[in-house]
Amino acid sequence: AQSVSQHNHHVILSEAASLELGCNYSYGGTVNLFWYVQYPGQHLQLLLKYFSGDPLVKGIKGFEAEFIKSKFSFNLRKPSVQWSDTAEYFCAVNRLSGAGSYQLTFGKGTKLSVIP
Amino acid sequence: NAGVTQTPKFRVLKTGQSMTLLCAQDMNHEYMYWYRQDPGMGLRLIHYSVGEGTTAKGEVPDGYNVSRLKKQNFLLGLESAAPSQTSVYFCASSYPAGKGAGPSEAFFGQGTRLTVV
Repeated sequence: AQSVSQHNHHVILSEAASLELGCNYSYGGTVNLFWYVQYPGQHLQLLLKYFSGDPLVKGIKGFEAEFIKSKFSFNLRKPSVQWSDTAEYFCAVNRLSGAGSYQLTFGKGTKLSVIP
Repeated sequence: NAGVTQTPKFRVLKTGQSMTLLCAQDMNHEYMYWYRQDPGMGLRLIHYSVGEGTTAKGEVPDGYNVSRLKKQNFLLGLESAAPSQTSVYFCASSYPAGKGAGPSEAFFGQGTRLTVV
């Protein structure tokens, strides 16, 4: 079973529309959560991260995410997208593996296309 | 700082050939990872290392070997390349977030695009 699930494969929005990308994970215990962005032809860059504390975290470029422990979710949001947000977005979870070390596991990604 | 540097950036191999991908980081990070990225599959963990001299298998380790002889370098080897190993390979490194907290965010290299024909 997919350990990190991203619900949408491709999302198409017009500029100024609001964005919400879903992410659910299936691990119990303590997890550290991340959202990364990959612009076309580039490597992954960190948008935001959650380790503990306030479950609403703010990242770069106006992005934010909310950790809901009871739902095993970490959804990414942005109130108003821009054409420059066109990219692929990856949710990732750091968790203790059976071998006793941390593994960073990624979802399959969501492509976001923003139409001017 | 250069961050995470991958060598080479592009490579074409014939089936059965071998090669080594080099990853070097200058941030003194403990953790290092090798991922492969394929369309619609996201990033899948091949092998990782939690410190110099240690390596562990990830999600898709078959057909690959790794070594971490020096803290700053993490090598990924393909002993006998197969067309199924055509992919973009990313190396990443990370540092401890705090005592018992595991790694913090990963820093990625620019990727190596490998084609096996």
